[in-house]
Amino acid sequence: QQQVKQSPQSLIVQKGGISIINCAYENTAFDYFPWYQQFPGKGPALLIAIRPDVSEKKEGRFTISFNKSAKQFSLHIMDSQPGDSATYFCAASKTGGYNKLIFGAGTRLAVHP
Amino acid sequence: EAGVAQSPRYKIIEKRQSVAFWCNPISGHATLYWYQQILGQGPKLLIQFQNNGVVDDSQLPKDRFSAERLKGVDSTLKIQPAKLEDSAVYLCANSDSRSGNTIYFGEGSWLTVV
Repeated sequence: QQQVKQSPQSLIVQKGGISIINCAYENTAFDYFPWYQQFPGKGPALLIAIRPDVSEKKEGRFTISFNKSAKQFSLHIMDSQPGDSATYFCAASKTGGYNKLIFGAGTRLAVHP
Repeated sequence: EAGVAQSPRYKIIEKRQSVAFWCNPISGHATLYWYQQILGQGPKLLIQFQNNGVVDDSQLPKDRFSAERLKGVDSTLKIQPAKLEDSAVYLCANSDSRSGNTIYFGEGSWLTVV
């Protein structure tokens, strides 16, 4: 019930294309769903996050789509750039308690010029 | 606002030796986490502090790992004795309700056990 399943493990996209990464969760008590971006040798950094009261959130080229009934959420990167090449992690937590983040296994994105 | 500081950044030790990692969190952030990230996997929570009290250490291998947070500020994570499977990046993170509970990570301490 604590798992967050992420797919695909790796993704290759051409510059200008759309990158899509999917996550599914089991615990219906989760109410906060962030995406983190991690470059080699660095710690994860918050990219964008959503709460289940909305179905979509957009920040620049990054959009989260959220489907509460299916217990799924996804990250869309529009107009993907080589600088977006990184590992992306979805996560989930229940913020009413002690804000413990459960991470997916990660997706390694490579954007080719 | 200064970020989360961790040291050392890199450490190589032999199995059965001990190692300690230090974390200096963002000033005033009450919640501090230690995560373990094995190569190719997502971060896994080892221990969570609220101020200087432990609120979750359910996934901490307590026979070899220990952690403390002094005066609700800095924290240390110790491994003794280390095993080969402890090779990982140890990430310190913190959050605070004033920042909307966003969790901020340090750059990590890379441990290789040989």
